[in-house]
Amino acid sequence: EPEVTQTPSHQVTQMGQEVILRCVPISNHLYFYWYRQILGQKVEFLVSFYNNEISEKSEIFDDQFSVERPDGSNFTLKIRSTKLEDSAMYFCASSAGGGVVNTEAFFGQGTRLTVV
Amino acid sequence: AQSVTQLDSQVPVFEEAPVELRCNYSSSVSVYLFWYVQYPNQGLQLLLKYLSGSTLVESINGFEAEFNKSQTSFHLRKPSVHISDTAEYFCAVSEPGGYQKVTFGTGTKLQVIP
Repeated sequence: EPEVTQTPSHQVTQMGQEVILRCVPISNHLYFYWYRQILGQKVEFLVSFYNNEISEKSEIFDDQFSVERPDGSNFTLKIRSTKLEDSAMYFCASSAGGGVVNTEAFFGQGTRLTVV
Repeated sequence: AQSVTQLDSQVPVFEEAPVELRCNYSSSVSVYLFWYVQYPNQGLQLLLKYLSGSTLVESINGFEAEFNKSQTSFHLRKPSVHISDTAEYFCAVSEPGGYQKVTFGTGTKLQVIP
């Protein structure tokens, strides 16, 4: 069964450093998403991406964040200057898009980011 | 805008007892509904989903949920829980269609007591 894969599974970074989280969505999907889950809290939407541009973003997704689809397979989330409060689990997801019905978003297993 | 309410943050239950985890949603349009399970320090696993058709949906490990449109609910039930069911359960909602932005509830921690 196709799946969304995320790397790395864990990342530790120093405050102020840039970090890039990587995701490989399901190959024929058209919509890509990033979500964040701070420890002990709910999963929150960050951003969605379609046709090589951001289609929607939340208040959390400020100028420190950016997303990119650098090639035909990867989808990345970059945090420019990490803060302690960026420590969280980050989930990537993808969905088919287009005229597809009765289908859901598929989530990766997450990247746990720890900022020290 | 959509929202999901899980009123119970923690539900303790004895092993082999039944359990119900409550979920109510708010949406002005049709919905897809999901339950995800998250074990400690792990990712999200889709437990079951309602997209269309039968309002009663089941998972392979004995959980079931029923979509009740009039009560805007999607409660999760299991007739007999096991220790291995101890986890956090998130109810979630999205709109039908190819764009699948998911809105999650705050989660319910199920604690199965031996």
